[in-house]
Amino acid sequence: DTGVSQDPRHKITKRGQNVTFRCDPISEHNRLYWYRQTLGQGPEFLTYFQNEAQLEKSRLLSDRFSAERPKGSFSTLEIQRTEQGDSAMYLCASSSTRASTDTQYFGPGTRLTVL
Amino acid sequence: QKEVEQDPGPLSVPEGAIVSLNCTYSNSAFQYFMWYRQYSRKGPELLMYTYSSGNKEDGRFTAQVDKSSKYISLFIRDSQPSDSATYLCAMNNQGGKLIFGQGTELSVKP
Repeated sequence: DTGVSQDPRHKITKRGQNVTFRCDPISEHNRLYWYRQTLGQGPEFLTYFQNEAQLEKSRLLSDRFSAERPKGSFSTLEIQRTEQGDSAMYLCASSSTRASTDTQYFGPGTRLTVL
Repeated sequence: QKEVEQDPGPLSVPEGAIVSLNCTYSNSAFQYFMWYRQYSRKGPELLMYTYSSGNKEDGRFTAQVDKSSKYISLFIRDSQPSDSATYLCAMNNQGGKLIFGQGTELSVKP
């Protein structure tokens, strides 16, 4: 198992464009999380899934943001009509509720720059 | 006021020093406490995971949790230049979302 993977690693876009990020969790991990991290800050929670169900969304997740995990495996995070304030590192993490500890393992992140 | 407070540093120490990193928190419901290490432009890497109060040791790393004071610590013994990174504390109550501190930037000088 190679861990959590994210694609793309870097994305540069112009303000107003839509972007979509993908996260592949550790196989058999049933929980998948999205966080956002800006420079000099810790990650901030956006949303998480258990299998296909989206269990919690942060108020940070405006209506321009949508996340899906249609088959309970990989997940996508879409940002519509991007703004310069969306520039950040978008981190995905996964965990298993069946493990002895519900530890979250992070991917390398997708760095978004909105011009 | 943030739920989790962490001094952002930067903290600079000579190689071989003992490093102490700390976080305070306000939510008494937190039960699970973690320390992650993050190298520049990389994802966080889990270092330590502890449940409730007490100490946990793993090699050169020791994590301490004092729930009565709402205070957690990470100690690094015999620090190495390769330990230079940002250290993030994180916590939650029964799984689910993690609440992170701001991160402390550590530099270990040869």
